[in-house]
Amino acid sequence: QKEVEQNSGPLSVPEGAIASLNCTYSDRGSQSFFWYRQYSGKSPELIMFIYSNGDKEDGRFTAQLNKASQYVSLLIRDSQPSDSATYLCAASSRYALNFGKGTSLLVTP
Amino acid sequence: DVKVTQSSRYLVKRTGEKVFLECVQDMDHENMFWYRQDPGLGLRLIYFSYDVKMKEKGDIPEGYSVSREKKERFSLILESASTNQTSMYLCASSFGQSGSSDTQYFGPGTRLTVL
Repeated sequence: QKEVEQNSGPLSVPEGAIASLNCTYSDRGSQSFFWYRQYSGKSPELIMFIYSNGDKEDGRFTAQLNKASQYVSLLIRDSQPSDSATYLCAASSRYALNFGKGTSLLVTP
Repeated sequence: DVKVTQSSRYLVKRTGEKVFLECVQDMDHENMFWYRQDPGLGLRLIYFSYDVKMKEKGDIPEGYSVSREKKERFSLILESASTNQTSMYLCASSFGQSGSSDTQYFGPGTRLTVL
């Protein structure tokens, strides 16, 4: 079974702080990794993807990948209440993506 | 912008009815997917299609079938709806090559209630 594991949370951070979301995966054949954000009652929307070891930055978001440790993370700087959502981690697998169950993030004013 | 549309946002059906959920994408994507999402269980893949008329079972195909007669359209069929199929159904599509093209784009979802 190819699994993607995330802490369900909720992860609570104060406004303006850095939120750190983590994910591990079991399939060493996975090449690409994705972070999606999902607001309650809405569908997932892509935040960013990463496929090389190291960091990738996009605005307030930084994705980090360590293939040796099979570990992916997402950092959100200057967290805002509008960042409160569930964050899904996904790893590529042939045609499809394996999704984690998501981490709920709550940013408190 | 990629656009994935689903035929209904909300649907209420009765046990035993045949249910069709339709998904259309406008970006000439090769791959299309159907998921269901339930609290505590996350996204679970039902079926996917990597080409017209080609399909593969996902993790939970029982009680479902699919049809892909045209590249842009992927239908999910519940042959005889049951109450345990009450769920949020999400369609997604992707370009179809490795790397960033694995990115899946989701439709708005259909919340199906089976009474």
